[in-house]
Amino acid sequence: EDKVVQSPLSLVVHEGDTVTLNCSYEVTNFRSLLWYKQEKKAPTFLFMLTSSGIEKKSGRLSSILDKKELFSILNITATQTGDSAVYLCAVDKYNNNDMRFGAGTRLTVKP
Amino acid sequence: NAGVTQTPKFQVLKTGQSMTLQCAQDMNHEYMSWYRQDPGMGLRLIHYSVGAGITDQGEVPNGYNVSRSTTEDFPLRLLSAAPSQTSVYFCASSYSQRPDEKLFFGSGTQLSVL
Repeated sequence: EDKVVQSPLSLVVHEGDTVTLNCSYEVTNFRSLLWYKQEKKAPTFLFMLTSSGIEKKSGRLSSILDKKELFSILNITATQTGDSAVYLCAVDKYNNNDMRFGAGTRLTVKP
Repeated sequence: NAGVTQTPKFQVLKTGQSMTLQCAQDMNHEYMSWYRQDPGMGLRLIHYSVGAGITDQGEVPNGYNVSRSTTEDFPLRLLSAAPSQTSVYFCASSYSQRPDEKLFFGSGTQLSVL
């Protein structure tokens, strides 16, 4: 059975801290791994990763995929209160229209 | 630019009642889908459509029906609501199913079934 597991489930940090969110997966026919940020409403796209070892970066956020060890990390440096959200990891599969989501990591950044 | 529009935002039903969650997108996207989000379980795919007239089941289709008569609209029907269907529902769309096509999500519908 396909699994996408995120850790930790929740995290509380202070502004300026650096955080690392984890996503491990066990799926057949892996195609890509995606990260989304979900604030109060709809998830918004952050990154899509298809190749191992190639870091994707956007401002203070970065992510990398390890297809051998079957995990990805999302790093956020110099966190701000606006980074508070649920971060979702999802795995897309070949020949399958079902994108599997993890349960998410709830990040709270305190001033 | 409206994007993906879901209605209603909130709904309370009694067990056995029926209702339709509406989803519309104005981006000419071929692919549309419905997810439900439950605490601790992430988003799970209910049904999806790859174009007008074409629908298929996702991971948790039981208790739900869909149709796609136009490119823009993809309603989700609950024929006989059950408390287990209490959840937050998201509609999503993308231009195609290619992995580099981003999913755009609606703002969600909070459904409670009593």
